[in-house]
Amino acid sequence: QVTLKESGPGILQPSQTLSLTCTFSGFSLSTYGMGVGWIRQPSGKGLEWLANIWWDDDKYYNPSLKNRLTISKDTSNNQAFLKITNVDTADTATYYCARILQLTGSFFDYWGQGVMVTVSS
Amino acid sequence: DIQMTQSPASLSASLGETVTIECLASEDIYSNLAWYQQKPGKSPQLLIYYANSLNDGVPSRFSGSGSGTQYSLKINSLQSEDVSIYFCQQNYDSPWTFGGGTKLELK
Repeated sequence: QVTLKESGPGILQPSQTLSLTCTFSGFSLSTYGMGVGWIRQPSGKGLEWLANIWWDDDKYYNPSLKNRLTISKDTSNNQAFLKITNVDTADTATYYCARILQLTGSFFDYWGQGVMVTVSS
Repeated sequence: DIQMTQSPASLSASLGETVTIECLASEDIYSNLAWYQQKPGKSPQLLIYYANSLNDGVPSRFSGSGSGTQYSLKINSLQSEDVSIYFCQQNYDSPWTFGGGTKLELK
């Protein structure tokens, strides 16, 4: 059974660094073709893809967030991480992590429940 | 970036009705398209991938079609549990992008 769960600080101030953790089970990020992605959704709005990390440590980022994103993984502990530097109120959103499987087209086939992050002074 | 334009933005339909949601890509995405369903207060769930492949466990009343730049999601015999927001997403080119969503309500 595949599950993912996000965790984060809840609230942080502008200019701080947001650190998110995705803890998963039912698959391994050391398995060929496996990946984890991060997606966010401001309240009442649409979805925005942020970054992906793959089993071979390949990483892809949304250029709209320029150089503010860093994605990483800890394969032995079944975790993936996302850092966003220099946050502002526009980063207030629910953040999701999701599994990606190359075998079935690299779509987000399992999602976490999401973690709400508020940026406020 | 590839723009994904969904229509309509909202839709009201009756139980048992057939509903179609459209997604238009700004360039050819060669069927690298998925549809997701997001129920109120929940995370999105994958319904359709590669434009027309039904994900495991998804009811057969859902179907996807299309090619090139034009894609659609069809829901046959609408059920009350289908009230959701539906999103399309392309992964043909980075950055991966989503449509703006279609809110489906019961009439």
